[in-house]
Amino acid sequence: ELKVEQNPLFLSMQEGKNYTIYCNYSTTSDRLYWYRQDPGKSLESLFVLLSNGAVKQEGRLMASLDTKARLSTLHITAAVHDLSATYFCAVGVVGPQKLVFGQGTRLTINP
Amino acid sequence: DVKVTQSSRYLVKRTGEKVFLECVQDMDHENMFWYRQDPGLGLRLIYFSYDVKMKEKGDIPEGYSVSREKKERFSLILESASTNQTSMYLCASSQRGFRTRGNTIYFGEGSWLTVV
Repeated sequence: ELKVEQNPLFLSMQEGKNYTIYCNYSTTSDRLYWYRQDPGKSLESLFVLLSNGAVKQEGRLMASLDTKARLSTLHITAAVHDLSATYFCAVGVVGPQKLVFGQGTRLTINP
Repeated sequence: DVKVTQSSRYLVKRTGEKVFLECVQDMDHENMFWYRQDPGLGLRLIYFSYDVKMKEKGDIPEGYSVSREKKERFSLILESASTNQTSMYLCASSQRGFRTRGNTIYFGEGSWLTVV
């Protein structure tokens, strides 16, 4: 059974600082997804990582994938308050067309 | 833009009631999903459907059923609601083969269900 674990689950940081959210998964997968969720809102797709070594960047967020280590990271550079949200990683299950999600990381960025 | 619409945002139901949650997507997607979101547990898949009248159990199907009579509509049914089904329910849709194509799945705004 595929398990996806994120850490930390809660992160409070100051504006201007850098930090990384980690996403580990337990079995082989070929796709890794990052989503953002604002309070009371739906999930918004941030990145789709398609292969080992993939790196994608959008603004102050950068995601990477190491399939050998079964690890993805979401790096936040020079955080700003607008990035406060809950971030989920999800892993594509080989076979069925479905995703397994991590627990989510609630990120709070203080001015 | 892809639009996944969940008809009810907030519901309060009594224990034992039958509950219908409706979801409609406008992008002609083959796949549709129902997830449940609980604090600390992330999103857990209840059921998914890859075609009209087809359904597959997800990770937590107990106490739920689904219906897909039309391609654009996927309904989640709680036959007899219980308090442990109080949660946020998220519908999603995607193209067939979305992973192979490098695409993602798209979520609705969510339905907050409270069972008292």
